[in-house]
Amino acid sequence: GAGVSQSPRYKVAKRGQDVALRCDPISGHVSLFWYQQALGQGPEFLTYFQNEAQLDKSGLPSDRFFAERPEGSVSTLKIQRTQQEDSAVYLCASSLLEGGLYNEQFFGPGTRLTVL
Amino acid sequence: AQSVSQHNHHVILSEAASLELGCNYSYGGTVNLFWYVQYPGQHLQLLLKYFSGDPLVKGIKGFEAEFIKSKFSFNLRKPSVQWSDTAEYFCARPGSSNTGKLIFGQGTTLQVKP
Repeated sequence: GAGVSQSPRYKVAKRGQDVALRCDPISGHVSLFWYQQALGQGPEFLTYFQNEAQLDKSGLPSDRFFAERPEGSVSTLKIQRTQQEDSAVYLCASSLLEGGLYNEQFFGPGTRLTVL
Repeated sequence: AQSVSQHNHHVILSEAASLELGCNYSYGGTVNLFWYVQYPGQHLQLLLKYFSGDPLVKGIKGFEAEFIKSKFSFNLRKPSVQWSDTAEYFCARPGSSNTGKLIFGQGTTLQVKP
């Protein structure tokens, strides 16, 4: 079966542009997470969805970051007016059950965003 | 807030050498611990996990980790590394909420020389 997929794999944006990053989780997975991974660092949590409900967005660094999962499957992370500090790899992960402490997360390949 | 720290940022070993990568976690909350691996050009994938029970956990590809509560540690070990173990390794634990979001360490890059 297919794993988590993300598109595009690479994105170059000029400072000030808006970008949209897509995540296709594993079919039937209830939970979906977005993480940001800066160069040389571990992934950092951005936001969490349980089905279509965004239950935790405490990791979003500013109001320029917005995520949605309108039908409880595909999710989009949108960054408005991109800044150089937004350059990072954006990872999506999904897990079968609703959020908890015991569910394995399956990660996608990430989208590498470079803001010039 | 929960945190995870990894001591070694870059480790270089020859094939057949033994490996131990350090991971320390902060006090508090439910202590579930994970090691993830990212091989070059591949996704992050789970190596092993500890929830409770036997503190010595065995994972895939011959890796194991030992949970030592008194030391707040969950070090990753492998008796004899192979060139194919070259990868980045991350220790992680759930954050303070019940969403299951993971808090990752900074990562350790392991380079195994053939």
